[in-house]
Amino acid sequence: EPEVTQTPSHQVTQMGQEVILRCVPISNHLYFYWYRQILGQKVEFLVSFYNNEISEKSEIFDDQFSVERPDGSNFTLKIRSTKLEDSAMYFCASRSGTDSNQPQHFGDGTRLSIL
Amino acid sequence: SQQGEEDPQALSIQEGENATMNCSYKTSINNLQWYRQNSGRGLVHLILIRSNEREKHSGRLRVTLDTSKKSSSLLITASRAADTASYFCATDVFGGGGFKTIFGAGTRLFVKA
Repeated sequence: EPEVTQTPSHQVTQMGQEVILRCVPISNHLYFYWYRQILGQKVEFLVSFYNNEISEKSEIFDDQFSVERPDGSNFTLKIRSTKLEDSAMYFCASRSGTDSNQPQHFGDGTRLSIL
Repeated sequence: SQQGEEDPQALSIQEGENATMNCSYKTSINNLQWYRQNSGRGLVHLILIRSNEREKHSGRLRVTLDTSKKSSSLLITASRAADTASYFCATDVFGGGGFKTIFGAGTRLFVKA
């Protein structure tokens, strides 16, 4: 069964540095998402992306964050100047089509540790 | 409280027993989804129930939805040790530009062998 893959599985970065988290969604999917989960807390929506643009974003997704689909397969999340509170698991998800009643498929996440 | 709140926060049962988890939400929804998360892993979609459906089954899973009470329940029958995980409900909320999925805090289920 096709799956969403995320790399790296663990990223350790110094505070203030830029970090790029990578995701390869399922190939025929059209909607892409990023979520984060701070240790022990709930999964929080960051951003949704469709047709090469952001369709929805949360209050967490401020100017420090950006997303890009640089080619036909990758979907990236960039954090420009990381802060200690950005430490979390970051999950990418994709969904097949315009019907919001289709399920999202999640990757196994990238654990981001900011030192 | 926030959109998508589960109770109980934690549940410990013996293998073979049934596990029931509840979820409440505040706004109108298009659908409600249940996900499972094993420790350190991503979320696995279990079941989606649309706002015009009242009950849905998938294997040992039964989900109900009561839109008048803005609540849903997930029942796992004949639980197994392998069902040990966190279970989250999630709702799609239209934000103006598109849908965003709001997750609850989850129920941690521990099934003792």
